[in-house]
Amino acid sequence: TQLLEQSPQFLSIQEGENLTVYCNSSSVFSSLQWYRQEPGEGPVLLVTVVTGGEVKKLKRLTFQFGDARKDSSLHITAAQPGDTGLYLCAGERDTGNQFYFGTGTSLTVIP
Amino acid sequence: DAMVIQNPRYQVTQFGKPVTLSCSQTLNHNVMYWYQQKSSQAPKLLFHYYDKDFNNEADTPDNFQSRRPNTSFCFLDIRSPGLGDAAMYLCATSRGSGGFYEQYFGPGTRLTVT
Repeated sequence: TQLLEQSPQFLSIQEGENLTVYCNSSSVFSSLQWYRQEPGEGPVLLVTVVTGGEVKKLKRLTFQFGDARKDSSLHITAAQPGDTGLYLCAGERDTGNQFYFGTGTSLTVIP
Repeated sequence: DAMVIQNPRYQVTQFGKPVTLSCSQTLNHNVMYWYQQKSSQAPKLLFHYYDKDFNNEADTPDNFQSRRPNTSFCFLDIRSPGLGDAAMYLCATSRGSGGFYEQYFGPGTRLTVT
């Protein structure tokens, strides 16, 4: 059973466009992390959100944690080719202390 | 400077021939994780160590074992690799468990089973 579903699974856009990636679950998470993974490398942490309704910004990236702490979104403004990669959300369950990754969104930004 | 090191980066083994992947860290972190990642999929947690305490995920096959002889090193042993075990294996560390602790990933070992 996949706890965290991401959409879309694949996304190909032109440089300069905006996009939003969604991470959804029926379970409540005490915290949620977003990672970016480039081909042949391990994931790198972008942000951790812990409070329902929390919004964090990292340059052109905006992360939001849902009020009920069951979902999250990642919005990228004016995408650049350097944003290309696999975006992963990872949630920590209330009842446990390990992170479980979502299904992933593969983003390609075309110059 | 590399903080989580995985060797080798590429490993080829034969069907049924035992193989060991290694991970070392220079961060002195308490927790070490092993993930399996198949092509275009998200990493799947296999098990983790909090210090010497081993925690196995319920759906991790018995074919996968792990050892952590000291803080710095952790090994993944695949006793009888099958074709379905071909994947990228990622090692990660964190100072503690939970949302306040970042996981640091190594570059991975890509395992091919022939």
